[in-house]
Amino acid sequence: DGGITQSPKYLFRKEGQNVTLSCEQNLNHDAMYWYRQDPGQGLRLIYYSQIVNDFQKGDIAEGYSVSREKKESFPLTVTSAQKNPTAFYLCASRNRQDTQYFGPGTRLTVL
Amino acid sequence: SQQGEEDPQALSIQEGENATMNCSYKTSINNLQWYRQNSGRGLVHLILIRSNEREKHSGRLRVTLDTSKKSSSLLITASRAADTASYFCATVPPMEYGNKLVFGAGTILRVKS
Repeated sequence: DGGITQSPKYLFRKEGQNVTLSCEQNLNHDAMYWYRQDPGQGLRLIYYSQIVNDFQKGDIAEGYSVSREKKESFPLTVTSAQKNPTAFYLCASRNRQDTQYFGPGTRLTVL
Repeated sequence: SQQGEEDPQALSIQEGENATMNCSYKTSINNLQWYRQNSGRGLVHLILIRSNEREKHSGRLRVTLDTSKKSSSLLITASRAADTASYFCATVPPMEYGNKLVFGAGTILRVKS
């Protein structure tokens, strides 16, 4: 059963705390992406990776960090430097025809 | 930065009617894609149309692209209650490293049964 999984589904963060969101894919896609979605808005790109051990900042990378040590995995860390982290986070991978496949998302709330 | 802008922001129709959503964008594109998002869920890819294509069909979906006007439309025919969702257009600019998608703010479609 191929696809993208994200965990956890819900995450609560205290002030000053770093949290890591998991994203795993078994679609054998090279490219992966992290987006942030705020209520009533479209998706904004945080980070993306074209290949293992390589990643680039998107439009809103400040306060976030990523790693890409394995093709299947692209975790996102929301650091304490991100002042307004409450949002819905979506991970995606892209096939060679440019179609992106999305995970179910993680809803992060700051307590 | 948002490239696409969907119109209308919200649309409410009766089951069986057709729904038309429009998308305008600012720069040249390699391709344009439409995605659906059910409330609180991830996005699902609906259709991709390349810059050298004018129209594409997939089941009850019809997408048109007018590159001279920098606009696209998504038509859902014979709508169903299950079509209730948010619909987003997303563009891929040419020569863009990473083939990044640039999303609009979306159209909220409600189909009443």
